Order: sequence, then structure tokens, then C-alpha cells
Amino acid sequence: ETGVTQTPRHLVMGMTNKKSLKCEQHLGHNAMYWYKQSAKKPLELMFVYNFKEQTENNSVPSRFSPECPNSSHLFLHLHTLQPEDSALYLCASSQAGQSLGETQYFGPGTRLLVL
Amino acid sequence: QQQVKQSPQSLIVQKGGIPIINCAYENTAFDYFPWYQQFPGKGPALLIAIRPDVSEKKEGRFTISFNKSAKQFSLHIMDSQPGDSATYFCAARMGSARQLTFGSGTQLTVLP
Repeated sequence: ETGVTQTPRHLVMGMTNKKSLKCEQHLGHNAMYWYKQSAKKPLELMFVYNFKEQTENNSVPSRFSPECPNSSHLFLHLHTLQPEDSALYLCASSQAGQSLGETQYFGPGTRLLVL
Repeated sequence: QQQVKQSPQSLIVQKGGIPIINCAYENTAFDYFPWYQQFPGKGPALLIAIRPDVSEKKEGRFTISFNKSAKQFSLHIMDSQPGDSATYFCAARMGSARQLTFGSGTQLTVLP
């Protein structure tokens, strides 16, 4: 595996379900991110982890719970979601500390549908 | 102040045409402006990026033009090909902040 991988690629869940999204980066990076992508809207940054520590939480509802057990893995735990949470959830990684042009590398995303 | 406004929302050109996508920002603290390209079923991938100390940057058929005084920057695709059909996002970041502020995206279709 190379780059940033995400599983599952597609997920359908009811509002009472609990599920988790998984992200793994094979690039040796030390920062990881969760984004939400909805149609015709800018990518919304949800969470940032830098050296496994959460450094940003952009007012995300508590029904989304991130976990970063090590610098290569990132999870997004989902519970009691709403239909408006249906979107593409993207994971990204980067090498924090570069002074110029720190590039974020994205995974292919998990397409989530909440019924 | 954090917003990046992108236009147009969609764009259709003939093969060989030069599509131009525009972005505008308000926050003068932004100092790094990347463009990302996203194909269906894939995550965004960095295409080209610029800093405000230069007015233009070229990489292959892709060119960023930057107007610091107008707080605008644009992506030009020379000799566009059907394989360039994708969604393009501009973004901006300030200093050492982790956060990228993205535009809303432009869906480009290049007709054969």
C-alpha cells in the first residue's frame, strides 16, 4: 500500500448506528487530518492531529469522535448521525514542520450515507 | 476573513482551449496558495502552488497568476485535454498554520 488509504470506501448507516472510518498513511508523515466534503461546498476541516496530539477541532459536533493511536493511523468514530452528515469524508496527511509548501496528501475518501 | 471565493462553479471548454479559474481572498495573512485537482472517486491531489512574492508560476501546462494588490489568483490550463476534466480547488494558508482554507471548487469539462 502506498500513500493514504481509507476504509471503507462506502458506508450506509442508520441514525442509531455506530461505525468507524479508518485512515492509514504510508508516507512517514506526522500530521493527519479529517475533512468533510459536501457537494458544491468548500472542503471543511474537521480535526487535525500533530504528532498524535489533537491540535484543532473546528466546532465539530460530538457525534464525531476522532482517535489517533499513532502517527500512521487515524479513526473517525461515528454515532447517532443525522442525514445532513451524509458526505465524502477525506483523510489527509502531511509532514509538519516544513517551512515552505507543506503539502497535504489526501486519501480517496469514504462516501457516507446516513438514512 | 477566512473565506476563499472561487469562480466559476463549472466550466466547459473544447480541447485545446485555455480554461481559467479564479479565486479571491480577504485575509492578507495568507502566504501560501495551492491548487488541488480531484478526479471522481479520488481524493484531491496537489497540482501547483504559489507564494505571494512571485506573480506567476508555471508547471507544464498549468500556470498560476497571482495579483497581490487585488488579492486574487487564478489557474490557467494551456492546451487543455479531455484528461484534464476534473474538479479544481484553490486554497490558502497562513504561516505555519495547519489549516488550509479551500474554495468551493470548479468542475471542469474538456470536450474532445
